[in-house]
Amino acid sequence: DTEVTQTPKHLVMGMTNKKSLKCEQHMGHRAMYWYKQKAKKPPELMFVYSYEKLSINESVPSRFSPECPNSSLLNLHLHALQPEDSALYLCASSQPREGSNEKLFFGSGTQLSVL
Amino acid sequence: AQSVTQPDIHITVSEGASLELRCNYSYGATPYLFWYVQSPGQGLQLLLKYFSGDTLVQGIKGFEAEFKRSQSSFNLRKPSVHWSDAAEYFCAVLPITYAGGTSYGKLTFGQGTILTVHP
Repeated sequence: DTEVTQTPKHLVMGMTNKKSLKCEQHMGHRAMYWYKQKAKKPPELMFVYSYEKLSINESVPSRFSPECPNSSLLNLHLHALQPEDSALYLCASSQPREGSNEKLFFGSGTQLSVL
Repeated sequence: AQSVTQPDIHITVSEGASLELRCNYSYGATPYLFWYVQSPGQGLQLLLKYFSGDTLVQGIKGFEAEFKRSQSSFNLRKPSVHWSDAAEYFCAVLPITYAGGTSYGKLTFGQGTILTVHP
C-alpha cells in the first residue's frame, strides 16, 4: 500500500462551521504534512508532524488546528474559516532519516470551499 | 533562503514532439531536487528526484532530468510527449540538512508550468 488517502475529496462550509479533514497512510511513515494550494499556485507547507509530534508550524492562523492521533492518521480541524481559505489541502507522508529525506507521498487532496 | 524559478508558465507542444521544462534554483549549496506532476484537482505525483551522483536522472513515464551545477538548473525532458502528459509540472527543492537533522519535507516549489498537448 503506497497510498495517502484523504477524506473528504470535496468540502463546502460556511464561515461559522466546524469541520475536519482526514488523512491516512499505512506505509509506516513517521512524518506527515499538511500543504495548502491556492488555485494556480504551488503548494505551501502548513504543518509537519514527526513521530506524532508537531515539528513545524509555518505561522498558520489558529483557525487551522492539526492533530496527529497516531502514526497513521493526521487531521486538520477547521473553525471560523474565511473565504480566502478556500484551497486544495494536500496531505503527504514520508519516512524521515537522519541527514537526508525520503520522497514525499501526496494524497489527492481535499478541495475546500468556504462560503 | 532557497527559491525555485520555472520561467515558462504555459507550454504547448504537439503529441509526439519532444519536451523540455526549465527549472532554476537558488541555494547556497546543492539541494535535493524534485519534479512533480499534478492533474487538475489532484495531488502531486513524484516524477523523479536528484540527491547526488549521476547528473542525468531517469523517472517514471519516460521522463528524465539533468542537473547542471554550473547553471543551477534541473530541466525536465521527454523525447516524445503523449496526450496523457498534459498536466501541471512543479519543480521543487529541499535543503540538505547536516549535523544529524532532517529537513522534514519542507519543499519549496516553483510556480509551475502548465503543459498542453495538441493532437
